[in-house]
Amino acid sequence: GQQLNQSPQSMFIQEGEDVSMNCTSSSIFNTWLWYKQDPGEGPVLLIALYKAGELTSNGRLTAQFGITRKDSFLNISASIPSDVGIYFCAGRSGTGNQFYFGTGTSLTVIP
Amino acid sequence: NAGVTQTPKFRILKIGQSMTLQCAQDMNHNYMYWYRQDPGMGLKLIYYSVGAGITDKGEVPNGYNVSRSTTEDFPLRLELAAPSQTSVYFCASSLVHFDVRTNYGYTFGSGTRLTVV
Repeated sequence: GQQLNQSPQSMFIQEGEDVSMNCTSSSIFNTWLWYKQDPGEGPVLLIALYKAGELTSNGRLTAQFGITRKDSFLNISASIPSDVGIYFCAGRSGTGNQFYFGTGTSLTVIP
Repeated sequence: NAGVTQTPKFRILKIGQSMTLQCAQDMNHNYMYWYRQDPGMGLKLIYYSVGAGITDKGEVPNGYNVSRSTTEDFPLRLELAAPSQTSVYFCASSLVHFDVRTNYGYTFGSGTRLTVV
């Protein structure tokens, strides 16, 4: 299957700090998704990206579709305690039926 | 609106036992999926279905079976449980397969944590 690498694996930050994480793939994707997973829950979609270079925001979250189409980035500004969770990227190539998920970035926000 | 409901939430199985993980959605979604999530790993697709009576293999289908007799239900069957199947299982659904015009994503259930001992 496709390999998606997310970095960093984990982050410990102070409340109010900005956060940046990224996801890289070995293949070109035409759709990138970013999900957040709270403990004991399923992932929830945060942002979807459809074309290279696209920059999309959802509140304090901003995600970008890399121009090489092999990477994507997620930024969180002014972090708050409820941002704690695991953030997953997911990508799809062509019009196939499968999204491939990254290994996740675990975020801890220290009040 | 319950969304995607998975049962049970937790289960311990002995090696060789069988069980069915239940998944139901009340959103009239066409597409349904089963994923497994291992510690420190992303989600891996086991099986998916594009509609009642139609199923297809995902990335890691071995050791599992599915059926889709109705739009609402998509059970996952483990026939001979093995320790390698210890994982958290997520069911998801979507109206269409991620229609870029409408930004429909997947709705996930809250998961079933399975331990095989």
